Amino acid sequence: AQTVTQSQPEMSVQEAETVTLSCTYDTSESDYYLFWYKQPPSRQMILVIRQEAYKQQNATENRFSVNFQKAAKSFSLKISDSQLGDAAMYFCATAGFQKLVFGTGTRLLVSP
Amino acid sequence: GAVVSQHPSWVICKSGTSVKIECRSLDFQATTMFWYRQFPKQSLMLMATSNEGSKATYEQGVEKDKFLINHASLTLSTLTVTSAHPEDSSFYICSARDSRSPFHEQYFGPGTRLTVT
Repeated sequence: AQTVTQSQPEMSVQEAETVTLSCTYDTSESDYYLFWYKQPPSRQMILVIRQEAYKQQNATENRFSVNFQKAAKSFSLKISDSQLGDAAMYFCATAGFQKLVFGTGTRLLVSP
Repeated sequence: GAVVSQHPSWVICKSGTSVKIECRSLDFQATTMFWYRQFPKQSLMLMATSNEGSKATYEQGVEKDKFLINHASLTLSTLTVTSAHPEDSSFYICSARDSRSPFHEQYFGPGTRLTVT
């Protein structure tokens, strides 16, 4: 069984600042992947970043990076130089062979 | 990039009728598609996993006779909500897994808002 926990229902950040969204997970899979998805008001799910669990190096995609701590089962997302367009719901997810399991989400508010 | 479409984007139906939602992978083949349901301000809840050419696998608590899923081709899966009731009103999202991708990632459709009156 897989579970994903996002303990921050809502976070706020000012434009150009940095914010970190937390995520912890539990899985019985030996081979798994971790993802952060963004859901803006349009409700279209957008993949932000992914991490292969077997890789020690933290994934980075432009202003987005993760801090993957496998032993602690932690997978946080750091957004640097925040922009107004980053305002959205962010979902952490884990996937084994088949299905994705999502956390409850963190709403990110970005103020000018 | 991988694109998934859903049709319709928004539908209103009367209680007791059935409604079909289509999910298509436009530029890749998807042996596996997934159907989710999302209530306002909540996360995505997986309803079922659809494999091309075989029966769908439903999550616990999801009525398979009410939510009929068909995955007849490598690019099309359909969800039919039968005998819809107001409590079926929700946002339904499909996703498709690119068979070629080693990363187990899913590409999501834009969702369908169903309102049952």
